[in-house]
Amino acid sequence: AQKITQTQPGMFVQEKEAVTLDCTYDTSDPSYGLFWYKQPSSGEMIFLIYQGSYDQQNATEGRYSLNFQKARKSANLVISASQLGDSAMYFCAMREVPVYNFNKFYFGSGTKLNVKP
Amino acid sequence: GAVVSQHPSRVICKSGTSVKIECRSLDFQATTMFWYRQFPKKSLMLMATSNEGSKATYEQGVEKDKFLINHASLTLSTLTVTSAHPEDSSFYICSAPGLAGEGTDTQYFGPGTRLTVL
Repeated sequence: AQKITQTQPGMFVQEKEAVTLDCTYDTSDPSYGLFWYKQPSSGEMIFLIYQGSYDQQNATEGRYSLNFQKARKSANLVISASQLGDSAMYFCAMREVPVYNFNKFYFGSGTKLNVKP
Repeated sequence: GAVVSQHPSRVICKSGTSVKIECRSLDFQATTMFWYRQFPKKSLMLMATSNEGSKATYEQGVEKDKFLINHASLTLSTLTVTSAHPEDSSFYICSAPGLAGEGTDTQYFGPGTRLTVL
């Protein structure tokens, strides 16, 4: 089964508007971490935001916020006031802590975000 | 923040040759590093976990003899693509786990290596 599911291969958003990128996950581990990364055309992976499974509040980092719904196993990324520089691939990832491989990450298939001027 | 470098950033080679990609943690020690492969417009696929001082752990479906991993020191892991073929052309990314005690337990990614096999 897929550990991380991103159902939106591509998204368009008007500059200055907010956009939500969907992510659902699957794990039986009670302790896990959820991450969002941005990958521009250069290929580098840029860390955006983190949500721990035991965190009570939704994570926020500047214009990024994570809508964490634990019961639904969803961790959607909200980007407010989109900028042209936000155009990139966005990956949702999950860290599990299995016994033999700590910090093992699973990535979703990604969402290509295009911000229109 | 912690920095991970990769070398080379881009390599073009002939079919049948072997290519070595280096991953270095520049300002911290990494007993574990991860190697990912990414096809164009696709997600990152974990290939293997590189462990300093012991054998790498490969994900299911990844050929151990094809993708040789050596974690020579606490700051260096290498991935060697042996007898490369065009289907091995891809973007290879390494990462190292964040330092113990960091709240996010994140990973620090290298900038990636684009391999093209002619």
